[in-house]
Formats: sequence, C-alpha cells, structure tokens
Amino acid sequence: IAGITQAPTSQILAAGRRMTLRCTQDMRHNAMYWYRQDLGLGLRLIHYSNTAGTTGKGEVPDGYSVSRANTDDFPLTLASAVPSQTSVYFCASRAESFNSPLHFGNGTRLTVT
Amino acid sequence: GQNIDQPTEMTATEGAIVQINCTYQTSGFNGLFWYQQHAGEAPTFLSYNVLDGLEEKGRFSSFLSRSKGYSYLLLKELQMKDSASYLCAALDSNYQLIWGAGTKLIIKP
Repeated sequence: IAGITQAPTSQILAAGRRMTLRCTQDMRHNAMYWYRQDLGLGLRLIHYSNTAGTTGKGEVPDGYSVSRANTDDFPLTLASAVPSQTSVYFCASRAESFNSPLHFGNGTRLTVT
Repeated sequence: GQNIDQPTEMTATEGAIVQINCTYQTSGFNGLFWYQQHAGEAPTFLSYNVLDGLEEKGRFSSFLSRSKGYSYLLLKELQMKDSASYLCAALDSNYQLIWGAGTKLIIKP
C-alpha cells in the first residue's frame, strides 16, 4: 500500500541522547516535510525538502537536522535531545503541485526525560 | 504576522449539522485546506478551496470567502465517527502552509 512509513512509533529518550526518526515514502513525491504537533498548537514545520539533495529550515529548526540523500527517505535527527522536544512528530509528503494535499505518516510519539 | 484562528472545541449532537469556522491572515493567499485528525492518528485531507464559494463533498462541505479571510467546514448528518479534530491551514504567497491549532469536535448521542 502506497504511503509514508515512520519509525519508531514511540520512543522514550534520555536528555542528551542522539535520536534519528525515520521516514520513508513510496509515492515518488519530491516534497517532504517534518512537523511537530503539541497540544494547543498548530502543526509546526521543522524542516522540509523540495527535492532529493536539498533541504530547508522551517519555523522551529533549532536542535534538529535532516538529510535527503534520495527521493524516498527523509530522516530527522535530534543531536542532543532536550525535554522541550517531547512531542508527536509527523513526516509528510506532497505531489508536485503546491495545492496538492499533504500525505502524513502515522507519527512518532517522542518523550524526552 | 500570519495567523489562523479557529475555535478550540465544539460539541454537537449525532444527526445534527455543525459549522466549524476558520479565519486567516496571511501574506498572500494560495488556498485553504481542511484536514481531519482522529485522536492518536495522522491528519487526513478533507478539502481544498482557492475560489470563493461552497464546495460539497458528500456530508462535508467547505466554504471560502477570500475578501473576508474566512472559511468554514460544514458537517451534516453527524455520526459518532466524526468526533475528531479539524485542522484549518492556509497556503501563503510562498506556498508555505500556515496551520491553525485545530478544533476538537465532540459528538454526543
């Protein structure tokens, strides 16, 4: 079934540890995004990639990094986790047109202790 | 600054009609999306409006007024499965999505 796969589903992480959230899509979409979702706030864009080999910073990029070595994969890395990074993280992709809807993965629930 | 406003929570009765409003202020405008998000799940696409007027899709309809910076999502014949959060998002002049915080809709029998 075509779609976006995120791993892990959930994770408890000690502060200061490094963590990579994985995201893979099989829809051949060029544009991919990482969002975090916190209670009472809208989805906030962390990083994005318009095509393989390029990445950009979103609204809340500090403490996060991404890479886009190929079309399918878009991992998000927390170099040294802090408690404020406790959140639900969603990876999303979009077809070529800017008015195409986003397709979301099922999310990763991350708790930093 | 850019901003999306929508009510935090609404309650409605099974079988009834509910209207969820969204107002937006963005730098330019390239359309407005509505997504549905059940608790613990990912958002899923409901509708996209870029022209003024009402678009109907089964029990769900979405309306846009560009001059007023206003949209609403209309849900008819409410079912218990419609209990979810509804997210409004506007596409600005740079084709970046500006998200509202979402409206939690509670359906009562």
